Amino acid sequence: DAKTTQPNSMESNEEEPVHLPCNHSTISGTDYIHWYRQLPSQGPEYVIHGLTSNVNNRMASLAIAEDRKSSTLILHRATLRDAAVYYCILKTPPGEAGTALIFGKGTTLSVSS
Amino acid sequence: NAGVTQTPKFRILKIGQSMTLQCTQDMNHNYMYWYRQDPGMGLKLIYYSVGAGITDKGEVPNGYNVSRSTTEDFPLRLELAAPSQTSVYFCASSYLAPGQSSYGYTFGSGTRLTVV
Repeated sequence: DAKTTQPNSMESNEEEPVHLPCNHSTISGTDYIHWYRQLPSQGPEYVIHGLTSNVNNRMASLAIAEDRKSSTLILHRATLRDAAVYYCILKTPPGEAGTALIFGKGTTLSVSS
Repeated sequence: NAGVTQTPKFRILKIGQSMTLQCTQDMNHNYMYWYRQDPGMGLKLIYYSVGAGITDKGEVPNGYNVSRSTTEDFPLRLELAAPSQTSVYFCASSYLAPGQSSYGYTFGSGTRLTVV
């Protein structure tokens, strides 16, 4: 699986937007970009995923660079409940080698009031 | 709708003992997974299953066994527990619909295992 690079930690203030970057320069044409987050003492939670186009859902937005070598998870208004470890993961489609999510260390997001 | 249910939530094992971590999902998901997470680290894939009767190894399968006799259940068996297996174990599931190329995972709340 292609690998991702994320900052170890980031800080934000409550009610401000947060942009979490992810570099994936070796991404293949069929790899999906997935984002998960893990709140303290909980299992990971699906946030969003995309292939080429920017994606929006109720939790966040995913901005994908035109060359797909990087992406950014956008939390539009951070809350204290958004403090978590955020994982950016490349996922090959089923049927190809590696059908499961492989997690890195992620970015620890701290949110201050 | 309970999602993914893991039992027990906590367990202490002595070295050399064995146990089974239970995982069940009620969402009719075809894919199921077991991960472990050591303190301060990301998740490591142990085993996964793409359907009943089909399992495959992940990144760290040694010391573990799995079975998938039904769509709902995916138990993880530890034989001869060792201190290195002290970790938090997460089960997850996902569903791939016909024509779909990617999908989100639903995780359980985890089992915290200590081997002493």
